[in-house]
Amino acid sequence: NAGVMQNPRHLVRRRGQEARLRCSPMKGHSHVYWYRQLPEEGLKFMVYLQKENIIDESGMPKERFSAEFPKEGPSILRIQQVVRGDSAAYFCASSPQDFEGNIQYFGAGTRLSVL
Amino acid sequence: AQSVAQPEDQVNVAEGNPLTVKCTYSVSGNPYLFWYVQYPNRGLQFLLKYITGDNLVKGSYGFEAEFNKSQTSFHLKKPSALVSDSALYFCAVRAGGATNKLIFGTGTLLAVQP
Repeated sequence: NAGVMQNPRHLVRRRGQEARLRCSPMKGHSHVYWYRQLPEEGLKFMVYLQKENIIDESGMPKERFSAEFPKEGPSILRIQQVVRGDSAAYFCASSPQDFEGNIQYFGAGTRLSVL
Repeated sequence: AQSVAQPEDQVNVAEGNPLTVKCTYSVSGNPYLFWYVQYPNRGLQFLLKYITGDNLVKGSYGFEAEFNKSQTSFHLKKPSALVSDSALYFCAVRAGGATNKLIFGTGTLLAVQP
């Protein structure tokens, strides 16, 4: 059973460009979470999605950031007009269902560098 | 508001000695607590969780954690450290309510010396 797959592993963008980060959850998992890890910091929650629905986006910046988890295909975290402060590691996690004690399984992350 | 504190940025221990990585939490309602480990340039790997039941939880790679409700702590422990245990350890708590989001501590770097 393949784990959570994220691509690309590394992404370099110039200021003002768009970044698209992809996440394929583990097989059978319908819940996806995105977290951001800034240098020397812990993980900060961004958004929680189920298929075709955003459940909690309380951690998403109000502008430039969006996320989706379509019926078919991977979840996408999109950052428009990137700035240097967006440079971070972005981790996706998935879990099988809506249960409080469910384990979230993490991908290897996408490291975004903004030049 | 829910929060997690890991008071030590780094813990140093000699190989073969017991280790403890500290974690305290603040949450309304029943806590759902997790420990994850992160190796360099890798994602987080699940170690163990506390939902309910026994206060001593056993997890992967010989790790265990002790839940203490009165002290609101969930310290990670291992009886005998290995050099390969050297990594960044994160404690997390489920935020509660309608969301499953995890609130993470700032992490503790464990360095095991040979």
